Amino acid sequence: DTEVTQTPKHLVMGMTNKKSLKCEQHMGHRAMYWYKQKAKKPPELMFVYSYEKLSINESVPSRFSPECPNSSLLNLHLHALQPEDSALYLCASSLAPAGGGDTQYFGPGTRLTVL
Amino acid sequence: RKEVEQDPGPFNVPEGATVAFNCTYSNSASQSFFWYRQDCRKEPKLLMSVYSSGNEDGRFTAQLNRASQYISLLIRDSKLSDSATYLCVVLTFNTDKLIFGTGTRLQVFP
Repeated sequence: DTEVTQTPKHLVMGMTNKKSLKCEQHMGHRAMYWYKQKAKKPPELMFVYSYEKLSINESVPSRFSPECPNSSLLNLHLHALQPEDSALYLCASSLAPAGGGDTQYFGPGTRLTVL
Repeated sequence: RKEVEQDPGPFNVPEGATVAFNCTYSNSASQSFFWYRQDCRKEPKLLMSVYSSGNEDGRFTAQLNRASQYISLLIRDSKLSDSATYLCVVLTFNTDKLIFGTGTRLQVFP
């Protein structure tokens, strides 16, 4: 089973709201990722967690705050977003972190609209 | 120059056709190579990894040329269900960062 689940599927929020995106995998993967994808563009990496520790932050604005409570869960906390942050937010996981070359498996994504 | 470059297409081909996509990458330290497919408004799904010796999975054949820093994907006997965007993806040694090409859109028509 190569399933990564994400909730919610869709989210509409105002610029003053606080919300969270959730991602879960039960494959024993030790690396988890957040990506942002705008229409007709490839996914862009935001954060990488390796063994539950943040290993890469691609200079993402602080209004996005990741959290990895345990090896199966990854959250992305959102606060004071801008309309240009509207996008598909994808979570992914892979078996081995740190350049192990393992395949990354993507969840179905959360489609976020910021009004 | 982008790290991973692909022809964006679209490639419009009839059912049964053979179609080839190319991809070039700029970082010679790149370690692992993949083709993902992405349907409209869905997540990317792994199509196949690409190995130095070339590899085949049914109607799909992937090739890697490290000297030329070039990756290809060949689809034989195209089906309507092959219509999607095909993403060339590269992983550099000792990082966790997948580098995506912009994707090549394929439309197979009856």
